[in-house]
Amino acid sequence: NAGVMQNPRHLVRRRGQEARLRCSPMKGHSHVYWYRQLPEEGLKFMVYLQKENIIDESGMPKERFSAEFPKEGPSILRIQQVVRGDSAAYFCASSREAGLHTGELFFGEGSRLTVL
Amino acid sequence: EDQVTQSPEALRLQEGESSSLNCSYTVSGLRGLFWYRQDPGKGPEFLFTLYSAGEEKEKERLKATLTKKESFLHITAPKPEDSATYLCAVSSTSYGKLTFGQGTILTVHP
Repeated sequence: NAGVMQNPRHLVRRRGQEARLRCSPMKGHSHVYWYRQLPEEGLKFMVYLQKENIIDESGMPKERFSAEFPKEGPSILRIQQVVRGDSAAYFCASSREAGLHTGELFFGEGSRLTVL
Repeated sequence: EDQVTQSPEALRLQEGESSSLNCSYTVSGLRGLFWYRQDPGKGPEFLFTLYSAGEEKEKERLKATLTKKESFLHITAPKPEDSATYLCAVSSTSYGKLTFGQGTILTVHP
């Protein structure tokens, strides 16, 4: 049973380019979360999505960042016009249900974005 | 705003030397407190969920406890393979919006 799959694992972009990060949740999971881990900082919540719906995007920067989770295919985190401060590890997590009665989020191994 | 503070930032132990990691939190309404383990270059791996003060959970050499203001992760007779960063997180929502602490980097020497 494959875990949460993220790609690419490593991505290098120049300032002003676009970055697209993909996340395929575990089989049977319809709830996807994106977290960001900046250097020397803890994991920060960005967005929570269900199929075709954004449920909570309170952690997303107001500009340049967007996320989607279409009916078919992986979830995509898109960063337009990247800046050096966007360099970080971006983690995707999934869960089978919305509720935290088990408390378990399954995390992927992350996509590490470097902006030159 | 939910906040989580973990201490110490780093802990070095000899194999077999038991110790505890601390997680202090403030939250508007605790729905759950979580412990994760993260190895270098990997994503966090779920360990425990605690829901209410007084609750305890165990897994192999690890035991997590919860009070109204803090949680402890006790490590009994650790082994080198227990070396990792241990993350504490809380949620005040009914879904997976977690507030993480900075983590404690545990190193266990043989």
